[in-house]
Amino acid sequence: GEDVEQSLFLSVREGDSSVINCTYTDSSSTYLYWYKQEPGAGLQLLTYIFSNMDMKQDQRLTVLLNKKDKHLSLRIADTQTGDSAIYFCAETTGNTPLVFGKGTRLSVIA
Amino acid sequence: DTGVSQDPRHKITKRGQNVTFRCDPISEHNRLYWYRQTLGQGPEFLTYFQNEAQLEKSRLLSDRFSAERPKGSFSTLEIQRTEQGDSAMYLCASSPQGAEQYFGPGTRLTVT
Repeated sequence: GEDVEQSLFLSVREGDSSVINCTYTDSSSTYLYWYKQEPGAGLQLLTYIFSNMDMKQDQRLTVLLNKKDKHLSLRIADTQTGDSAIYFCAETTGNTPLVFGKGTRLSVIA
Repeated sequence: DTGVSQDPRHKITKRGQNVTFRCDPISEHNRLYWYRQTLGQGPEFLTYFQNEAQLEKSRLLSDRFSAERPKGSFSTLEIQRTEQGDSAMYLCASSPQGAEQYFGPGTRLTVT
């Protein structure tokens, strides 16, 4: 079945860039997502990218997609303490439910 | 606030009791999803509705679980004869006919 893998932890200093990586196995994935979850809260949709795109930028967020290697990354520029959270990568073909990774816990050190 | 809402936010119940959760999606969203999230894991799909029709159910959804969306608006998820393994965060998401899924704050269930 489909699988989404992420590294579990990332620690960065305030003001640096963060890069969170994700790999997926389903070659028919059409949409790839990044969600943010703060403690005790639901998931906040940050951004998503269509599989026919290589890059998407939205303010401090840049998503890169390497479809050949099935690799997705999220870059957060000028990381702030408010960015500390768990970040989930997810994929779908569009007509299927989301398949999530286990999440990457981002810790931002002041 | 016009986002997805869920009720209750927290539920503590004793093993063997039945519980019911409610989800109110974003108005006009015709797709509604239920996911379950346990500690240290990403959300796992349970079931989804297109309007009032339940179109897909995960193998995770045992026969103790039932979901409804009677009028194509709010949805309920019922768990009968709860077990300690049912303790989790139950998340609801809604979607227009498209890619984005917007999540509610979740209902945290603790079975003692």
